[in-house]
This record gives sequence, structure tokens and C-alpha cells, in this order.
Amino acid sequence: NAGVTQTPKFRILKIGQSMTLQCTQDMNHNYMYWYRQDPGMGLKLIYYSVGAGITDKGEVPNGYNVSRSTTEDFPLRLELAAPSQTSVYFCASSEKTGRGYTFGSGTRLTVV
Amino acid sequence: EDQVTQSPEALRLQEGESSSLNCSYTVSGLRGLFWYRQDPGKGPEFLFTLYSAGEEKEKERLKATLTKKESFLHITAPKPEDSATYLCAVHQTSGSRLTFGEGTQLTVNP
Repeated sequence: NAGVTQTPKFRILKIGQSMTLQCTQDMNHNYMYWYRQDPGMGLKLIYYSVGAGITDKGEVPNGYNVSRSTTEDFPLRLELAAPSQTSVYFCASSEKTGRGYTFGSGTRLTVV
Repeated sequence: EDQVTQSPEALRLQEGESSSLNCSYTVSGLRGLFWYRQDPGKGPEFLFTLYSAGEEKEKERLKATLTKKESFLHITAPKPEDSATYLCAVHQTSGSRLTFGEGTQLTVNP
């Protein structure tokens, strides 16, 4: 039972570089989410998806892009990394809207 | 706009010293209130969902309660392994995502 798997666990990027954070879930959940967590700031929603082919912006989408070509995968793309994107990124999934989320273990990203 | 405020920001307890964490919320319509536990370096772990005022749920030393404006997470006779950050989140009736509070960092000393 893998649940939600995120890769990589850690990454250091230089300003202006791009990268993709990977997220895969094996629970056949329709709903998937990307959050970022900054110290003392709680979890902020970046993007979410209610099913394959459907995505929508959350509270803080600027500088990010997502795609959802399959039920299992929900990658988060960072274009032109900036220091403000230094954070811990969590992917989560849920069976139905309003149900408890299952979170991945996070990706700690530093932009220098 | 949904707002979720947790207090205190940090709480230190001695082992066996019971206390409560607070989560105050403002939403246009509450569909559910969630509690999560987060250990350092890990993702949040689901604890409870509460759906209506007056509802209570328990798990080991934790009990969550809900009113129309706030929720409490009561910790009875805590142990050092209860040390973690506890997050509260709300799901409003319109929309498909949760809004999280900033969390309460709980430390239980032996």
C-alpha cells in the first residue's frame, strides 16, 4: 500500500531553472491536490484536480503549472524558479470531495 | 472568504497534563471540519472529520468536538509520542478543497 508517492524528496534549484515534482497515487482517487507549506504559514493550495483531464487553480498558482493525464499521476511543474518558491511541497489525494486527504511525504525545495 | 485560525501557536505540556487546542473558523457553509497530525519531515496524517455542531469523535487520548464557530481537540493525559503539529482544516459546502489553519505545535515533555 504505497498511498501517495512524491519524488524527489529534496532538491536545490538555481534561480531561473525549471523542474517537475512528481506525484503518484495508487488508491484510484479522483481528487488530487498540490499544497505548499512555509514555516508558520500553514498549507496553501496551489492547484487541484477533480479527475483526469480536469485541473483548477488554488490560492497560490502563480509560477506553477499542472497536468492530469491519468488518474494516478499529478505532476507539478515549476518554470523559472524564484527564491519565493523555496518551500515544502505536498501532494494529496482523496476519494471524494469532503473526505480526508492522504498526503505524500513531501518535497523540500530550495531555490538559490 | 474562508478563514481558519488555530490557537495557541505552540503548547508545551508535561506528560499527563491534559489540555485543549482550538480551531476557530469562518465559512459560508460548513461541509466538514478536519483534524490532522503532522510529524517533523512528514506529510499530515488524517485524524478526524466532524460534520455538524455537537458531534464528537475520539481516538486514544484525543477527542475532537465541534460547535458552530469552533472545534476543540482535547488531549487527555498526553504522552511524549503525542508531540506533533496539529492542523485543522475546513471544507465549505461549495467547492472541493480544504482550507487549512496554521497549526498548533504541541510538545509533551516526559
